[in-house]
Amino acid sequence: GVTQSPTHLIKTRGQQVTLRCSSQSGHNTVSWYQQALGQGPQFIFQYYREEENGRGNFPPRFSGLQFPNDSSELNVNALELDDSALYLCASSLAGGRGLGETQYFGPGTRLLVL
Amino acid sequence: AQKITQTQPGMFVQEKEAVTLDCTYDTSDQSYGLFWYKQPSSGEMIFLIYQGSYDEQNATEGRYSLNFQKARKSANLVISASQLGDSAMYFCAMREATGGFKTIFGAGTRLFVKA
Repeated sequence: GVTQSPTHLIKTRGQQVTLRCSSQSGHNTVSWYQQALGQGPQFIFQYYREEENGRGNFPPRFSGLQFPNDSSELNVNALELDDSALYLCASSLAGGRGLGETQYFGPGTRLLVL
Repeated sequence: AQKITQTQPGMFVQEKEAVTLDCTYDTSDQSYGLFWYKQPSSGEMIFLIYQGSYDEQNATEGRYSLNFQKARKSANLVISASQLGDSAMYFCAMREATGGFKTIFGAGTRLFVKA
């Protein structure tokens, strides 16, 4: 399945954070979502074969990397209080091309910014 | 504009009864896909069921069925024979053909199953 680390993280405003995701074996696509408390997930961006191929309404201080070994990272610079949320990664197989493409989600990383 | 609307913040259902979770959506695309996910307290989103906009039959997956009414732009989830383990958050989501690669989620409905 999809795993994420760490499970919980506490940072202070202005700091930088790196969250990690290990995709389901063989999946070439990873998407990241931010889920604020009491809300649905919001799409941050998607990586397909190590290239960003789609982005939601998030500023450039949210960036990512995808590696050939089924792992990926979400980096957030200059943390703000509103960045406190559950961050979910989801892996899939077809680059996001199919409307019905199933995404497999990890358990998420809970980030608290103080 | 909010594209997925779930109007029920919380729902209660008696164990073994059926429950319907409401979802309406807004899109100008002719081609789109609709999903339901379950999110237990552990956090991960679990895929339940998918309906394509051109699918003529309502989707079913075990105890889950999707009541798709295209003209009304609604995609309600029906859970039959509720179980205690069904207590969780449920999210309706959509992907549009012209929407790039993003999946848009609603705000969710929390379902409580009573013994």
